[in-house]
Amino acid sequence: NAGVTQTPKFQVLKTGQSMTLQCAQDMNHNSMYWYRQDPGMGLRLIYYSASEGTTDKGEVPNGYNVSRLNKREFSLRLESAAPSQTSVYFCASSDSGSGADTQYFGPGTRLTVL
Amino acid sequence: AQSVTQPDIHITVSEGASLELRCNYSYGATPYLFWYVQSPGQGLQLLLKYFSGDTLVQGIKGFEAEFKRSQSSFNLRKPSVHWSDAAEYFCAVVPPGGYQKVTFGTGTKLQVIP
Repeated sequence: NAGVTQTPKFQVLKTGQSMTLQCAQDMNHNSMYWYRQDPGMGLRLIYYSASEGTTDKGEVPNGYNVSRLNKREFSLRLESAAPSQTSVYFCASSDSGSGADTQYFGPGTRLTVL
Repeated sequence: AQSVTQPDIHITVSEGASLELRCNYSYGATPYLFWYVQSPGQGLQLLLKYFSGDTLVQGIKGFEAEFKRSQSSFNLRKPSVHWSDAAEYFCAVVPPGGYQKVTFGTGTKLQVIP
């Protein structure tokens, strides 16, 4: 039982390049989330998916797109990377999406945009 | 606006000493309350959560937290800190009846000295 896995662990991009961050969970959870973590700012929600086939914007969605490929997988795409997107990205999942649910986090992807 | 505040950015304690990390929230009603821990280079892990009932909540790794409605606080405590507790701690809140939208505090980094 791997929990939540993320690939890659590290990535360096040049401004304007695109990339997709992959996330998968094996806990049969319905809801999945993408956060970014910046120093002194905690975690901020980028997008979430309440259930397979649905996605919604979070607090900081600009510059990102997401795809809920199936119940297990939720990817985050940067179409044209900018230095402001340098951050650590975390994927998380929860059982139902209820506010009472525990979120389970992946190990993160450290992205640097030059 | 709804918010969660962790006033201490960095705390240093001696091994064996007691610990209290502060968390204050600003919501119209009592939200769901969580404490997560992030060890270096890893994702977040739930320590404990509060929804209702007994205001003293026990969590994993010997942590506990007390909800005080009058002070809008949910402080995390541990009677005796171990070196392995060195990590960053995040308070998080979800509005009552809320779905998906977790708001994280900015975190408190704990250093443990021998």
